[in-house]
Amino acid sequence: GQQLNQSPQSMFIQEGEDVSMNCTSSSIFNTWLWYKQDPGEGPVLLIALYKAGELTSNGRLTAQFGITRKDSFLNISASIPSDVGIYFCAGMWDSSYKLIFGSGTRLLVRP
Amino acid sequence: DVKVTQSSRYLVKRTGEKVFLECVQDMDHENMFWYRQDPGLGLRLIYFSYDVKMKEKGDIPEGYSVSREKKERFSLILESASTNQTSMYLCASSPPGIYGYTFGSGTRLTVV
Repeated sequence: GQQLNQSPQSMFIQEGEDVSMNCTSSSIFNTWLWYKQDPGEGPVLLIALYKAGELTSNGRLTAQFGITRKDSFLNISASIPSDVGIYFCAGMWDSSYKLIFGSGTRLLVRP
Repeated sequence: DVKVTQSSRYLVKRTGEKVFLECVQDMDHENMFWYRQDPGLGLRLIYFSYDVKMKEKGDIPEGYSVSREKKERFSLILESASTNQTSMYLCASSPPGIYGYTFGSGTRLTVV
């Protein structure tokens, strides 16, 4: 089945640093989504991307839908302690509305 | 805002028990999904449903079944719980179309 490779697996950074994570797929996706999961909670949608090349921001977060439609990245600028959590990429590749999730990037921020 | 409510945050069940995990959404979404989340494996789709009484297998349906008798409710059933079903279970819903899902807070199930 579809596979999403998300990297890095984890990051431990200093408050104020910028963060970058990415996902690659073996196949084309029509939609890329980025979610954040706080400890003990369900994932919450951060950014949705619907067109190849699209670059979208949500506050300090910026995500891009790769031109090849096989990758996406998420950047977080000037990280703060509440950015701590697990970030998941997810892709949708047909009209079945099924999302395929990456394995997640665990972010820890040192105050 | 859409709300997806999972009936239990934590459950402890014995091996061989029949377990019901309940999920209710309040925004009249057609699509509902059950995922399990395990460290290092991300979220894996168990079952999903596009409409009442409709269900389709996801990537890991073995050992599970589902029920959708009403549009707002999607139940996950572990027919005979086993220790390898110890996991975080997440329910989600979405409207038709290529929109993101809204997730519940999850049920952490421990099978002993």
